[in-house]
Amino acid sequence: DIVMTQSPDSLAVSLGERATINCKSSQSVLYSSNNKNYLAWYQQKPGQPPKLLIYWASTRESGVPDRFSGSGSGTDFTLTISSLQAEDVAVYYCQQYYSTPLGLTFGPGTKVDIK
Amino acid sequence: QVQLVQSGAEVKKPGASVKVSCKASGYTFTSYGISWVRQAPGQGLEWMGWISAYNGNTNYAQKLQGRVTMTTDTSTSTAYMELRSLRSDDTAVYYCARDRGVAVATWDDYWGQGTLVTVSS
Repeated sequence: DIVMTQSPDSLAVSLGERATINCKSSQSVLYSSNNKNYLAWYQQKPGQPPKLLIYWASTRESGVPDRFSGSGSGTDFTLTISSLQAEDVAVYYCQQYYSTPLGLTFGPGTKVDIK
Repeated sequence: QVQLVQSGAEVKKPGASVKVSCKASGYTFTSYGISWVRQAPGQGLEWMGWISAYNGNTNYAQKLQGRVTMTTDTSTSTAYMELRSLRSDDTAVYYCARDRGVAVATWDDYWGQGTLVTVSS
């Protein structure tokens, strides 16, 4: 299995400031034949199902505010919230979908709070 | 609008089976896959598996192989997830989600509301 790790476990950011979440995979999720990174980001608020934010590591899902951006390639990825809003308080998960025969895996999550 | 509506909460005894349903609407069911993800109380997300609503091909998490079966009924646009030989650590909220992949599992863009399955003697 590809193991996903995230850092930090939690962070507190002031309103309007930048929040940065890191995600690392135990092996590359970059598929050389199409040069795409098989990585998605989700946001989960308490008591709600997850919400898709980003796929292909950097493609924002329709309707997601542009303050959310994804970057990285290979094994190291970042989700950035450029200007934190109160409604962004949530847990954020990365997920690889590279190793579909063996199974997809989520990172452990990063909790974002307001400082 | 796309909706996935799941069946209600279940309480099961250890060793029993549970079958959760997920009725889809607002899109062409057979053009997508359905993923199942669970979340134990206070824990993170765990991918359980995926089924193509086009041809019924499945891909299960290795740790659940032999205990889980995912199916679809295209006549009613409904997906099902059955988990057998339940243990206390199967207690979780179970989510279905529309998967953008119809040939292989990919990312999930719409999610059901979740179904709480409690396993307790």
